[in-house]
Amino acid sequence: GDSVTQMEGPVTLSEEAFLTINCTYTATGYPSLFWYVQYPGEGLQLLLKATKADDKGSNKGFEATYRKETTSFHLEKGSVQVSDSAVYFCALRTTGNQFYFGTGTSLTVIP
Amino acid sequence: NAGVTQTPKFRILKIGQSMTLQCTQDMNHNYMYWYRQDPGMGLKLIYYSVGAGITDKGEVPNGYNVSRSTTEDFPLRLELAAPSQTSVYFCASLPGFGGNQPQHFGDGTRLSIL
Repeated sequence: GDSVTQMEGPVTLSEEAFLTINCTYTATGYPSLFWYVQYPGEGLQLLLKATKADDKGSNKGFEATYRKETTSFHLEKGSVQVSDSAVYFCALRTTGNQFYFGTGTSLTVIP
Repeated sequence: NAGVTQTPKFRILKIGQSMTLQCTQDMNHNYMYWYRQDPGMGLKLIYYSVGAGITDKGEVPNGYNVSRSTTEDFPLRLELAAPSQTSVYFCASLPGFGGNQPQHFGDGTRLSIL
C-alpha cells in the first residue's frame, strides 16, 4: 500500500546550519507530495508542495524536489533560524484523495 | 478567514463518558477528514467524507462515529471513552478538485481520558 517514510528525529541544529530531512514514499500512480509544518499547540500548515516528477517546491527558504527515480522528497534549507523550530511532516496525496503522512521530525534550532 | 474550526480545544473525560468533537469549515470544501495524532506516531486517519451524506472508515475507526449532514460540519463522536483514545484530534478539509491541493487543518482538540 501507499506509505511515507520519514527521517526520525529529534534534530537539533545551531542557527545558520544546513538542514536536510529525508522523506521517501511508496505509491502507485502519480501522487502529489507535500511538506507540512506544525508549531507547538497548532495544526499542520502547508509548507511546500510538488505535483509531478522533477518539480521543486519552495517556501520561506525551504526546498524539496520530487524525485521519482528515487521515490524521494527530501526537505532542505540552507540556513536555519530559531523560528524554524517545529515538527515537519512529509505527506503524499493519492489520486483517490487519500493522504498518507510520515511520523514527523522534530527540529530544534539553538542560537 | 476562519478556515477549519475545531471545538473544544481541550477536554478531559472519564472512562465510559461520551462526547462530540466539533469541526466546521467555511471554504465549501467537499472532502473532510478526522485524524488522531499520538506522540511520535504521525497522523492516523479515523474517518473521512467526500460530501454531505457520505462517510467512510479510515485506518482506525473503532470506537468512533461520524456524520456529515451539511457540507460545513463533520462532527466526531466518541460513545464510550477509553484511555486508548487519549490523543490530539485534527480535522482537515480539501476542495476535492485539482490533484495538487493540500489539506487545510484545524488547530486540534487535545483529549485526555482518565
